[in-house]
Amino acid sequence: GQSLEQPSEVTAVEGAIVQINCTYQTSGFYGLSWYQQHDGGAPTFLSYNGLDGLEETGRFSSFLSRSDSYGYLLLQELQMKDSASYFCASHTDKLIFGTGTRLQVFP
Amino acid sequence: DTGVSQNPRHKITKRGQNVTFRCDPISEHNRLYWYRQTLGQGPEFLTYFQNEAQLEKSRLLSDRFSAERPKGSFSTLEIQRTEQGDSAMYLCASSPRTPQGETQYFGPGTRLLVL
Repeated sequence: GQSLEQPSEVTAVEGAIVQINCTYQTSGFYGLSWYQQHDGGAPTFLSYNGLDGLEETGRFSSFLSRSDSYGYLLLQELQMKDSASYFCASHTDKLIFGTGTRLQVFP
Repeated sequence: DTGVSQNPRHKITKRGQNVTFRCDPISEHNRLYWYRQTLGQGPEFLTYFQNEAQLEKSRLLSDRFSAERPKGSFSTLEIQRTEQGDSAMYLCASSPRTPQGETQYFGPGTRLLVL
């Protein structure tokens, strides 16, 4: 089957760094994306890894290791507005989403 | 055109009724996707189009569901004889060319409640 596993919840304080892990089992895989979704909102694209290694976009970085079927999203200098759900999604000919990680940032 | 739009944003219907949702993708995008999301879960793929051709349908898409994209621009998703289990957020996304390395941009979604 096709599946992506993420921790269900992560908590942190403002200014901290958090890492959200994602392990996947998907056929026809060629990349991993990360999306942010606030309650009641639509998923918003954050980052994409098509090759192994680290991609950095401002406060957010994402990593992929194809040999380990593993990726992570790193959020730095956390802000209250970062409280949201974060989904990893594997690219096949469509997106297959993980179950999501709810991040709560406390002051 | 600043993004993907969906209408209506909310729909409440009684069990057994038919409903139709519309999605207008970003104008230069030729791929259009429909997903369904229930509370606490990630979006689940339903179907996608490349231009007007429907290339794949998930087995989640029962015969009560039909999607069209007649001119390769906007798309409609119809649910016939709605059931309470159809209550969910229906998301539309579009991407340019192929999805390899191409970001999918999501619309705000249509939230369906079947009573």
